[in-house]
Amino acid sequence: DAKTTQPPSMDCAEGRAANLPCNHSTISGNEYVYWYRQIHSQGPQYIIHGLKNNETNEMASLIITEDRKSSTLILPHATLRDTAVYYCIAPNYGQNFVFGPGTRLSVLP
Amino acid sequence: NAGVMQNPRHLVRRRGQEARLRCSPMKGHSHVYWYRQLPEEGLKFMVYLQKENIIDESGMPKERFSAEFPKEGPSILRIQQVVRGDSAAYFCASSPRTGRSTDTQYFGPGTRLTVL
Repeated sequence: DAKTTQPPSMDCAEGRAANLPCNHSTISGNEYVYWYRQIHSQGPQYIIHGLKNNETNEMASLIITEDRKSSTLILPHATLRDTAVYYCIAPNYGQNFVFGPGTRLSVLP
Repeated sequence: NAGVMQNPRHLVRRRGQEARLRCSPMKGHSHVYWYRQLPEEGLKFMVYLQKENIIDESGMPKERFSAEFPKEGPSILRIQQVVRGDSAAYFCASSPRTGRSTDTQYFGPGTRLTVL
């Protein structure tokens, strides 16, 4: 897997956008970037993934830099329910996911 | 379309007993992955299976742990002679693996194993 680096924790005010960064400077051309989150002790929840272009779905937006060495997950209007650990993963082609420590996002009222 | 199903959700075993954890993948998914999460730690990959085949077991402990994904029925993670250190949450994920770059994995709710 391309090594990913995320800040260990972040705070965000409820209703504001949460911007979670991830560095993946060793990513290769065919490695996707995936984002998951784990709320408390539940199973990880898939959020979004992308290769080169920015992506958006009903949960979040993913902004990938042109050189693909970093990305940002954006939760446009964070709610208390978005408090979770967020994982950025860049698996090698055909390889398995390696979960790092992630970013613990706390959404504050 | 039901998501990934795991049962039981909670399992208590005494030291030396066997634990069997079951995972039914999402409909149409033929690839299953097992992960373990120790208390206050991240998820660690254990094994990747297709129907009737173990593709990658590089994360499985060498002894007491085994996994299978038969032609019919759920995938089973089996832990023999459990010890207290096996207490953890075990998560299963499935993917369709359509041949593109690594496909999205969808996770189940997990089985929380407690060894007394």
